Amino acid sequence: GAGVSQTPSNKVTEKGKYVELRCDPISGHTALYWYRQSLGQGPEFLIYFQGTGAADDSGLPNDRFFAVRPEGSVSTLKIQRTERGDSAVYLCASSFRAGGSKDTQYFGPGTRLTVL
Amino acid sequence: QKEVEQDPGPLSVPEGAIVSLNCTYSNSAFQYFMWYRQYSRKGPELLMYTYSSGNKEDGRFTAQVDKSSKYISLFIRDSQPSDSATYLCAMSPSGTYKYIFGTGTRLKVLA
Repeated sequence: GAGVSQTPSNKVTEKGKYVELRCDPISGHTALYWYRQSLGQGPEFLIYFQGTGAADDSGLPNDRFFAVRPEGSVSTLKIQRTERGDSAVYLCASSFRAGGSKDTQYFGPGTRLTVL
Repeated sequence: QKEVEQDPGPLSVPEGAIVSLNCTYSNSAFQYFMWYRQYSRKGPELLMYTYSSGNKEDGRFTAQVDKSSKYISLFIRDSQPSDSATYLCAMSPSGTYKYIFGTGTRLKVLA
């Protein structure tokens, strides 16, 4: 079946602008995750949704970052007043549930965000 | 000190070689251990998944976990140029969802 999809694949914006990044999880997956991957680094956890609610947003770096998942499927990561340091690849992952022994996470291709 | 340490490489090997990739970690609560492969400008792709200690084999790939030494390995037999990618280890404590990743090791398999 279809994997996790993310749009756009690339986003270039100017410092101070607002951006939205979209994630479509694998059908039937109830858990959704956002990670950020900087150049030469592994992905870093940002936020996790179980259904519609954000169960853990402890990885969001500051209050400029916000994510929603209003119907328990598609999620949008929103970044206000973008800064050059926000430039990274934003990865979305989904799993059938979360935390179970077989609930491994499947990743999308990512959105490459560049803030000029 | 990072929770998960991984040599960034690059690691270059000839085609057909056995490749050994490793990660060390400091958090003894980690119970789930994953290896992902990431091609350039693509998302991570799950390769292997292991719970607790022991070995797991899948085709040319073998994952080993030594919890007493806080050390995990991925072995690739008969390596192919198509195996050239970055290999990420990831870990998680039991019953949680937050994966902690290593920095990734870049592997080049030369034809």
